[in-house]
Amino acid sequence: NAGVMQNPRHLVRRRGQEARLRCSPMKGHSHVYWYRQLPEEGLKFMVYLQKENIIDESGMPKERFSAEFPKEGPSILRIQQVVRGDSAAYFCASSNQGANHNEQFFGPGTRLTVL
Amino acid sequence: SQKIEQNSEALNIQEGKTATLTCNYTNYSPAYLQWYRQDPGRGPVFLLLIRENEKEKRKERLKVTFDTTLKQSLFHITASQPADSATYLCALSQGGKLIFGQGTELSVKP
Repeated sequence: NAGVMQNPRHLVRRRGQEARLRCSPMKGHSHVYWYRQLPEEGLKFMVYLQKENIIDESGMPKERFSAEFPKEGPSILRIQQVVRGDSAAYFCASSNQGANHNEQFFGPGTRLTVL
Repeated sequence: SQKIEQNSEALNIQEGKTATLTCNYTNYSPAYLQWYRQDPGRGPVFLLLIRENEKEKRKERLKVTFDTTLKQSLFHITASQPADSATYLCALSQGGKLIFGQGTELSVKP
């Protein structure tokens, strides 16, 4: 059973470009979470999605960031008009339920560098 | 606002000793607390979950305690090995999402 997959693993963008990060959850998991880890900082929650629905986006910047988890295909985190401050590691996690007692399985992350 | 704090300084110990990591939280009453391990360049890996009505949980060389009065969890690794060197993260669950501490870097010297 393949784990959570993320691609690309490394992404370089120039300021003003768009970044698209993809996440395929573990098989059978319908709950997806995105976290961001800035250099020398902890993991910060961004958004929680369940197939076709955004459950909680309280950690997502109001502008330039969006996320989706369509019925078919991976979850996408999209960052428009990237700025240098967006440089970070972005981790996706999945779980089979959204309950607080469920562990989350993390992908290897996408490291975004904005030049 | 809710706050989760872990020892900010790296912890250096000798192989074979017990490592103890601390996680304190404020303005929050979690029903569950989780511990994860993160190696450089990789995603976190789940280690243990403890419920508010559990004082202690064990898994092989790992032990977690949860004191809801002190608002603190302790994470112990007994008979530590160099392979245990990593960053350890505590996390509280809220509405399905995880709220992480900043992590404590553990280094076990042979």
